[in-house]
Amino acid sequence: DTGVSQNPRHKITKRGQNVTFRCDPISEHNRLYWYRQTLGQGPEFLTYFQNEAQLEKSRLLSDRFSAERPKGSFSTLEIQRTEQGDSAMYLCASSPIGLAGQETQYFGPGTRLLVL
Amino acid sequence: QQQVKQSPQSLIVQKGGISIINCAYENTAFDYFPWYQQFPGKGPALLIAIRPDVSEKKEGRFTISFNKSAKQFSLHIMDSQPGDSATYFCAALSGYALNFGKGTSLLVTP
Repeated sequence: DTGVSQNPRHKITKRGQNVTFRCDPISEHNRLYWYRQTLGQGPEFLTYFQNEAQLEKSRLLSDRFSAERPKGSFSTLEIQRTEQGDSAMYLCASSPIGLAGQETQYFGPGTRLLVL
Repeated sequence: QQQVKQSPQSLIVQKGGISIINCAYENTAFDYFPWYQQFPGKGPALLIAIRPDVSEKKEGRFTISFNKSAKQFSLHIMDSQPGDSATYFCAALSGYALNFGKGTSLLVTP
């Protein structure tokens, strides 16, 4: 399977715990994105990497959230001191570098987080 | 603030019928408009996309109609099938971030 992969697929944690998710983009895709999707809503943009550089962050990405892409390949999203409001599906997407406005973002299956 | 408004919220169509989902936007900086299909427990999968310099794009049973002056675009699913039952999202790209509508839950009845 050459699509975007995410691990774990499901995570249940207690409020206050830290969690980390991993995303492996499509091979040779330079751009990587994180989105959050709550029940009944469309995905909301969190952050974007081009290679290892984090170039854009949404206001949704509070200081409890941190994302890294250390070698320009896989990425991790960490949530510290989780809150019940963090319960959501966390989606990763990747895209190749192309002309601005013409890039297709390919999404992974997501990690569903439940904070008790 | 929802930058892309999508309607209807839900839609029921008989097999063989046409499903139509509409979206509207305000930000003229948007320059790429994809539609995604999502099944329960799965990530969104790209269906079809259009740029604002094109008024219509067709791929198989799926057609996007785009009205730049009205800032509206729509997805038409021809000959709808029960396997098309899913949630559909329109989106618009600004910079690197996709701005999604709230989604339309489509049910195609046999």
